[in-house]
Amino acid sequence: SQELEQSPQSLIVQEGKNLTINCTSSKTLYGLYWYKQKYGEGLIFLMMLQKGGEEKSHEKITAKLDEKKQQSSLHITASQPSHAGIYLCGAAPGTSYGKLTFGQGTILTVHP
Amino acid sequence: GAVVSQHPSRVICKSGTSVKIECRSLDFQATTMFWYRQFPKQSLMLMATSNEGSKATYEQGVEKDKFLINHASLTLSTLTVTSAHPEDSSFYICSAPKRQGVPYGYTFGSGTRLTVV
Repeated sequence: SQELEQSPQSLIVQEGKNLTINCTSSKTLYGLYWYKQKYGEGLIFLMMLQKGGEEKSHEKITAKLDEKKQQSSLHITASQPSHAGIYLCGAAPGTSYGKLTFGQGTILTVHP
Repeated sequence: GAVVSQHPSRVICKSGTSVKIECRSLDFQATTMFWYRQFPKQSLMLMATSNEGSKATYEQGVEKDKFLINHASLTLSTLTVTSAHPEDSSFYICSAPKRQGVPYGYTFGSGTRLTVV
């Protein structure tokens, strides 16, 4: 099964600071999803990466997938309190829409 | 498009009773539904995969008799927590593959917070 290692498990930053969350897979990634969540609420889709070397940005969040397609990073520039929450990377085996499994999650706290 | 409606959003039940959680695909046919549970400050753990018209596939360590999953139609999958106990208190969320539209991939219900007292 697909195993995803996410780091760090928790992160506390001051508002305005940049930060990076990493997600490493034990197998080749065919599709890597990044979500944001507040516990007890639904998931907010951030980005999906498929191609080696791909990079996508949305507002102040940038996600990359490495050339070997086994590691992804999520970078937040000039963090704000609204960025606080749980960040989850998810992946499914193969190219079909199989079961999506998640990394352990990163709890982000942003102090104003 | 491709919305999954999950109900109830919150439920409190007494220990020993059963609780049913429903996930409906509103504008597409969900032949597959994934069920997850999440404890505070933890990630989503896949519990089972339901397929319309067939038995659900459970992940290792998940009790089939405790977490009954039914996927009787292309638009409805249900999770019933039977004989609930306080340790079953958790956040449960469903997800269906979404094969078209943006964002593609998977669409999630809004989740159900179960509290067993």
